[in-house]
Amino acid sequence: GESVGLHLPTLSVQEGDNSIINCAYSNSASDYFIWYKQESGKGPQFIIDIRSNMDKRQGQRVTVLLNKTVKHLSLQIAATQPGDSAVYFCAENNNAGNMLTFGGGTRLMVKP
Amino acid sequence: DAGVIQSPRHEVTEMGQEVTLRCKPISGHDYLFWYRQTMMRGLELLIYFNNNVPIDDSGMPEDRFSAKMPNASFSTLKIQPSEPRDSAVYFCASSRSSSGNTIYFGEGSWLTVV
Repeated sequence: GESVGLHLPTLSVQEGDNSIINCAYSNSASDYFIWYKQESGKGPQFIIDIRSNMDKRQGQRVTVLLNKTVKHLSLQIAATQPGDSAVYFCAENNNAGNMLTFGGGTRLMVKP
Repeated sequence: DAGVIQSPRHEVTEMGQEVTLRCKPISGHDYLFWYRQTMMRGLELLIYFNNNVPIDDSGMPEDRFSAKMPNASFSTLKIQPSEPRDSAVYFCASSRSSSGNTIYFGEGSWLTVV
């Protein structure tokens, strides 16, 4: 029969533009959120995190925004570079043990 | 610091054979996780340990899968007997409970069962 795989949403951006990757989480009790980047053939790599008592956190070229009202998380990448091409996952922790629940991922493609 | 170290990086085996995947967590981390990643199901948590003790193995798919952590610096995930549907990338990850729950991943073991 036909196999059905995960269809990753894809965001295609021009090099130098800003990228925004969105994530909806399900558990209103989640109090810690992380963004991971996964390049082809590699494991997920930590990018940035945010706690539920914050609504914005900035890193180097990346910003995470948290909207608890609508349970939405976003990752903004400034001046996107070819090396940013990867799959990006959001993950949430509801403080029930040290476990993360991962979203399905978004593929970011950067056009030169 | 060295990251999470996994071996083998790639393994191709015939169905029915035993497969053992190995992991060395980051030194000082007291949580260790085994994840499986497939195109069909994404990233799935199989089992995790705290201070070498299995805490939650509800993600282990069936009795063919087992995991051990004999000491703080070593864990194994074993599949016996292996089946083609076990083909996936298996990630080990670790975290320190005091560090805000950030989990660091290894590079994965790419398993193909033919």
